Amino acid sequence: DVKVTQSSRYLVKRTGEKVFLECVQDMDHENMFWYRQDPGLGLRLIYFSYDVKMKEKGDIPEGYSVSREKKERFSLILESASTNQTSMYLCASTHGDTRTGELFFGEGSRLTVL
Amino acid sequence: AQSVTQPDIHITVSEGASLELRCNYSYGATPYLFWYVQSPGQGLQLLLKYFSGDTLVQGIKGFEAEFKRSQSSFNLRKPSVHWSDAAEYFCAVVIDYKLSFGAGTTVTVRA
Repeated sequence: DVKVTQSSRYLVKRTGEKVFLECVQDMDHENMFWYRQDPGLGLRLIYFSYDVKMKEKGDIPEGYSVSREKKERFSLILESASTNQTSMYLCASTHGDTRTGELFFGEGSRLTVL
Repeated sequence: AQSVTQPDIHITVSEGASLELRCNYSYGATPYLFWYVQSPGQGLQLLLKYFSGDTLVQGIKGFEAEFKRSQSSFNLRKPSVHWSDAAEYFCAVVIDYKLSFGAGTTVTVRA
């Protein structure tokens, strides 16, 4: 089975801190995604990557950056955390055509910014 | 503009009763459509998907969905719900090779 692992399930950070959210998948998927999940808004795409060192902005990239140095790892970075970035963050990966491929999700990282 | 609309925020259904979750999309003549489920404390799991062909698609856990082009809808159904079906359900459509999700419908199952 595909496994997408998000290293931190719960984080509490202070405003202005730099935050790293790590995601690792074990199925050699070339495509990886970071979504943000908020009540009433569903999932919104922050960034995605279709290959090592490649990244594309999603719908809400402001305040975030990403890093993909290895195929299995996709990191989300909050350079200076703000309270409006308190949310659930979901990582996902898929193989091949992103129109038809099943997304495999991690269990999420719940971030609280105080 | 919202590309996927799930009109029902919350639905309560009795165990053993039927369930229908609504989804309307507003993108693409030939949309790629998905339903995902998120159980409490879990990531999302694919229930089913539609690209072309038979407009009634079968998924896992006894779910099915019907694509109706004339209504721009892709409603999810289950004939008899189980307590384990309590979860949040997301409809999604592919836009520019990426999934765009609806706001979700939370399903509560009462005994």
